[in-house]
Amino acid sequence: QVQLVQSGAEVKKPGSSVKVSCKASGGTFSNYAINWVRQTPGQGLEWMGGISPVFGTANYAQKFQGRVTITTDESTRVASMELSSLRAADTAVYYCARSSFYLGLETGRYYVSGWFDPWGQGTLVTVSS
Amino acid sequence: SYVLTQPPSVSAAPGQTARITCGGNNVGSKNVHWYQRKPGQAPVVVVHQDSGRPSGIPERFAGSNSGNTATLTISRVEAGDEADYYCQVWDNDGDQRGVFGGGTKLTVL
Repeated sequence: QVQLVQSGAEVKKPGSSVKVSCKASGGTFSNYAINWVRQTPGQGLEWMGGISPVFGTANYAQKFQGRVTITTDESTRVASMELSSLRAADTAVYYCARSSFYLGLETGRYYVSGWFDPWGQGTLVTVSS
Repeated sequence: SYVLTQPPSVSAAPGQTARITCGGNNVGSKNVHWYQRKPGQAPVVVVHQDSGRPSGIPERFAGSNSGNTATLTISRVEAGDEADYYCQVWDNDGDQRGVFGGGTKLTVL
């Protein structure tokens, strides 16, 4: 049974960066993708991006392109999400979640896919001056 | 970018049936996944790939998807079903991106 355990809550200043980690236990880390999803106060879920650990290629939501970096470390079974140029609107609970991935036969690229299961417990990031 | 539209709220009395819709352009051609999120908890998948039910999810939860609308049907609603429900698909516009609906608050009367 795979479990995802995230790092603790963070308080950051506007303009700074935050890095949230997600450690996987159980299962085969390289067989799945890790995604990052956030929930802002009073708002819905928002997919930020995902990465397939074995290939290290990430897909990002257009909204976060240039501001978010998702990485994995197979040796430690840890996935990380770094968000830069933080603003108050980035105050949210950030979740990691596992999904599958597939090889695009026409492009030769790997893409995250499938449903999100399981999820990490969530990490609250507060951006405030 | 691809948009999924959900009603903000749905209500049902205990024992009745609740239906939550998820509209999108030709969403029937995509695989739709549904998540339940209760306050203070991480989301949980309740239906995957339109109508698949993960182990541990009651048979009362069922999904369907056709044309421009996917539907999550919860039969014999219980107080414990009160939660926010989100549909989700993948949109490939040259790159694969996850898309969530805006979420629906299910209130059990």
